[in-house]
Amino acid sequence: GAVVSQHPSWVICKSGTSVKIECRSLDFQATTMFWYRQFPKQSLMLMATSNEGSKATYEQGVEKDKFLINHASLTLSTLTVTSAHPEDSSFYICSARMGGLGNQPQHFGDGTRLSIL
Amino acid sequence: AQTVTQSQPEMSVQEAETVTLSCTYDTSENNYYLFWYKQPPSRQMILVIRQEAYKQQNATENRFSVNFQKAAKSFSLKISDSQLGDTAMYFCARTGANNLFFGTGTRLTVIP
Repeated sequence: GAVVSQHPSWVICKSGTSVKIECRSLDFQATTMFWYRQFPKQSLMLMATSNEGSKATYEQGVEKDKFLINHASLTLSTLTVTSAHPEDSSFYICSARMGGLGNQPQHFGDGTRLSIL
Repeated sequence: AQTVTQSQPEMSVQEAETVTLSCTYDTSENNYYLFWYKQPPSRQMILVIRQEAYKQQNATENRFSVNFQKAAKSFSLKISDSQLGDTAMYFCARTGANNLFFGTGTRLTVIP
């Protein structure tokens, strides 16, 4: 149980392209979803928190116009990297939490490796 | 400060032996939760074990157990009978208001 699917797992695209990453909770309803960015050999950096049906809450320093997050249903959240540039290349991981309480564990997707040429 | 500290960037252990990964944290809250996540080379984050701060009893999941010292704000992970599949990055995490604070991770290598 508590499976989170993230797609695509790897994407390579040209600079200036917009890329959409999907995060789906397959067997539970995710009230809250999270988007992280991970640089090589580093920890996860929270980018934003999204609750179903409302606007995402972005962490300080994360450009909301650059990283568009949509959480239209209890099982799907999307992250769109708009006009991607090489510095946006990274590993992006989503997670989903069943309830609204912080004590519930987050269940993670497999991550998306984004490479911008 | 709301930080999670893992002071061991890398560790290794012989297969079948026991290893302990350390984690300390800061918090001003009384009720919170602590987690250990494992990230193997495949990069997926896998929940290993969870501890509720108001419970004194240390959590155990098969070969994984924790030593939770609330007063010292310490939350170490013990892996018994280490297996090759335990090779991974291990992240300690603490709940915040609505999210998780992660440590910097410990890279564990199990040596055959």
